[in-house]
Amino acid sequence: GEDVEQSLFLSVREGDSSVINCTYTDSSSTYLYWYKQEPGAGLQLLTYIFSNMDMKQDQRLTVLLNKKDKHLSLRIADTQTGDSAIYFCAESMNNYGQNFVFGPGTRLSVLP
Amino acid sequence: DGGITQSPKYLFRKEGQNVTLSCEQNLNHDAMYWYRQDPGQGLRLIYYSQIVNDFQKGDIAEGYSVSREKKESFPLTVTSAQKNPTAFYLCASRRGRNQPQHFGDGTRLSIL
Repeated sequence: GEDVEQSLFLSVREGDSSVINCTYTDSSSTYLYWYKQEPGAGLQLLTYIFSNMDMKQDQRLTVLLNKKDKHLSLRIADTQTGDSAIYFCAESMNNYGQNFVFGPGTRLSVLP
Repeated sequence: DGGITQSPKYLFRKEGQNVTLSCEQNLNHDAMYWYRQDPGQGLRLIYYSQIVNDFQKGDIAEGYSVSREKKESFPLTVTSAQKNPTAFYLCASRRGRNQPQHFGDGTRLSIL
């Protein structure tokens, strides 16, 4: 079956690193994505990683993938108040159409 | 700039009324999607379409209808059969297999 899980809340201090975790169940996933949603807005694609990669870095964002444990994480370095948002993990399977599954989202609060 | 446009941003429905939410994209994407998001919740798939004149039900299609007469447009009608329509509705599109979904800014629907 297809299921993506995330912890629902995370609080960090401004300037610290944030690590948002995600687990997925479908081993046929080809790409895994991180999206950011600010209040009242749509989802913004932050980054994605192909399933045969272990790590991807993009400025302050680092994605780590442990395919054996089906665990994905997003690290945000030097977290700022503008990073406060909901972060969604998503997976797409090796087909088309409906098979794009989102996690429930992690609400990141950045404290001054 | 290419993107996905949802309108209106806010919409109010009276009891027993059908309302239609607009979604237009100029990204030349084949697939389009409609999601519903309730407060503090993740995304639930309502309908999706992979090509013109074809669409499939998602997980919560009851009380909703769609059409896909043009590649650029995928309107969603919330019918009077949908007893709890108050939610945030998100439209997305996708170029093809293993490509990320791109989202509009959403429409917030409320009951009068």
